Amino acid sequence: GNSVTQMEGPVTLSEEAFLTINCTYTATGYPSLFWYVQYPGEGLQLLLKATKADDKGSNKGFEATYRKETTSFHLEKGSVQVSDSAVYFCALRRNYGGATNKLIFGTGTLLAVQP
Amino acid sequence: GAGVSQSPRYKVAKRGQDVALRCDPISGHVSLFWYQQALGQGPEFLTYFQNEAQLDKSGLPSDRFFAERPEGSVSTLKIQRTQQEDSAVYLCASTRARREGNEQYFGPGTRLTVT
Repeated sequence: GNSVTQMEGPVTLSEEAFLTINCTYTATGYPSLFWYVQYPGEGLQLLLKATKADDKGSNKGFEATYRKETTSFHLEKGSVQVSDSAVYFCALRRNYGGATNKLIFGTGTLLAVQP
Repeated sequence: GAGVSQSPRYKVAKRGQDVALRCDPISGHVSLFWYQQALGQGPEFLTYFQNEAQLDKSGLPSDRFFAERPEGSVSTLKIQRTQQEDSAVYLCASTRARREGNEQYFGPGTRLTVT
């Protein structure tokens, strides 16, 4: 079946540290891949996406590259800030005729950035 | 107008009670999704509407769960005879059209606690 596996948290970093949150997926066909972020007390927001192999999604200093050969979509940021503290969800969406465009999420990774 | 709104934001129900959760999608958005997010987990798909048609209800966990969108705008998720395992955050999302690349915009969710 289709599924997303992401690294368990919490991930605790000091400000300006490098961030990697691992995400791998299992899917038939060629899904689109997403990272969503959930700040404390807020709803899910799309952070970035990639729709085909080798695409790189980027936003707010975060980036992730769609790697078909390793079925991965790891999230990275070169220098985290306290304001990046949130829960990050990796997700996929199957893309083929007749498929509901539902999102399949990983379990989420809590990131805590300390000053 | 603004983003996706959901009401109530919090609901406490005694086991066995019926509840109704409301979602107001972004005006003009054709597609609407409901997800269930258990504590510490990622959202899981429940059901999907395109306009007023419920095209996929494969994620509804039991026949106690029922969703409707009679006029293709506001949607209601109803849970009958609530059980403790129904305690979760219920998320609604909408998109402009059922087309690849359209972002799902999420509401803040309704946190349901069944006592």
